[in-house]
Parts: sequence; structure tokens; C-alpha cells
Amino acid sequence: ETGVTQSPTHLIKTRGQQVTLRCSSQSGHNTVSWYQQALGQGPQFIFQYYREEENGRGNFPPRFSGLQFPNYSSELNVNALELDDSARYLCASSQGEDYEQYFGPGTRLTVT
Amino acid sequence: ELKVEQNPLFLSMQEGKNYTIYCNYSTTSDRLYWYRQDPGKSLESLFVLLSNGAVKQEGRLMASLDTKARLSTLHITAAVHDLSATYFCAVRLSGGSNYKLTFGKGTLLTVNP
Repeated sequence: ETGVTQSPTHLIKTRGQQVTLRCSSQSGHNTVSWYQQALGQGPQFIFQYYREEENGRGNFPPRFSGLQFPNYSSELNVNALELDDSARYLCASSQGEDYEQYFGPGTRLTVT
Repeated sequence: ELKVEQNPLFLSMQEGKNYTIYCNYSTTSDRLYWYRQDPGKSLESLFVLLSNGAVKQEGRLMASLDTKARLSTLHITAAVHDLSATYFCAVRLSGGSNYKLTFGKGTLLTVNP
């Protein structure tokens, strides 16, 4: 069974640019959640997708958007990057809304 | 808004000693998690606590939950160097359709020889 995978591992972007991060959920999982983890902090919930629909959102501006595909993989898009967007972005998948979330290795984003 | 507070944030201890990490949360929750994170790595699930009085143990780690006090503890027994990591508690709100997790700031544990 393949776990949650994310790509890329690390990337560097310039302020004002746009970025797309990708997540492949664990086999059999239909729910994906995204979290932002700033250095030295706990993860903060961005949003969750359940069966291709957004199922809840944290306190992040609209320039953070996402998609979930029919195979339940997911993308996180961030427009107009700001320096404060530098963080590790974690995705987590689960069998459903009410099930334990399994985290991927994360993507480390650096905005200069 | 749910708030989750962990203490201490930094913990340096000697091998062989015991210590407890505390996790307080502000509103009713139906599920509490403990995670371990090594530097630059993702989160590894340690325990899921579902009900008042729940206690779970794995090796040198034991977690408990008191839902009335809104408090969970992670107790470390006879610490060894391999336990050095950051430990997070995360709480899920009861009810609703949004099953997000709210995390504490984490406890950076360093176990010294």
C-alpha cells in the first residue's frame, strides 16, 4: 500500500509568483486536507476536500485555492506569493471526513 | 474558536528520567491526537484518544485524556535519546462537517545522554 506522497519536495519562488503543490492520497482514501506549517509552529488547517468538493476552510485568504481530482489526488495553488507564505505544506488523506488523517512528507516552500 | 496550548514548549531532559507534556484545549472535542515530528519530516501518528479517561501506551510513551478538564498528557518514562523530536497534540472539534485538526505549537524534546 502506497502512503501519501507530495511533490515537489522543495521549491523556491519569488514574491508575487504563483505555485502549485501536489498530493497523492493513500489508496482507498477520498478525503484530503492541507496544512501550512511555519518554522517552529504547529500545522494550521488550510482546507479540506471530500469527493472533489471543498469541505471546510481555515483562516486563509482566497489566493489559497485547491482542487481534488476524480482519483482523489489534490492540488494546492497559491497566487501572489508573499514572504510569509514560506513554510512546509503538508497534505493528509483519510478514508472519509470522520477518519484518521495520514500525513505526507510535505513540500518546503521558500519565497524570496 | 478552538485554542490548543501545549507546555512546555521546550524540554531538555536526561536519559532515564521521566517527564510529562501537557495539552490543554478550550472547547469540547471528540478526538485528540498526539504526533511526533523529526526535523524536516512529516507527522507520525502516535496516539488517538477518543473518550474521557482513555489511556494508551506504546513503549516509553503513555497518553491520557480528561475531557472534563480538557486536558491530555503525554508521559515519557525512562527517556532515551531516540525520543528526541517535536511532539504535537491536535484536537478535533465535536460536530459539524468540518473535521479539521487544530494543533498546539509543539514541544521540542531533547534527551541528553
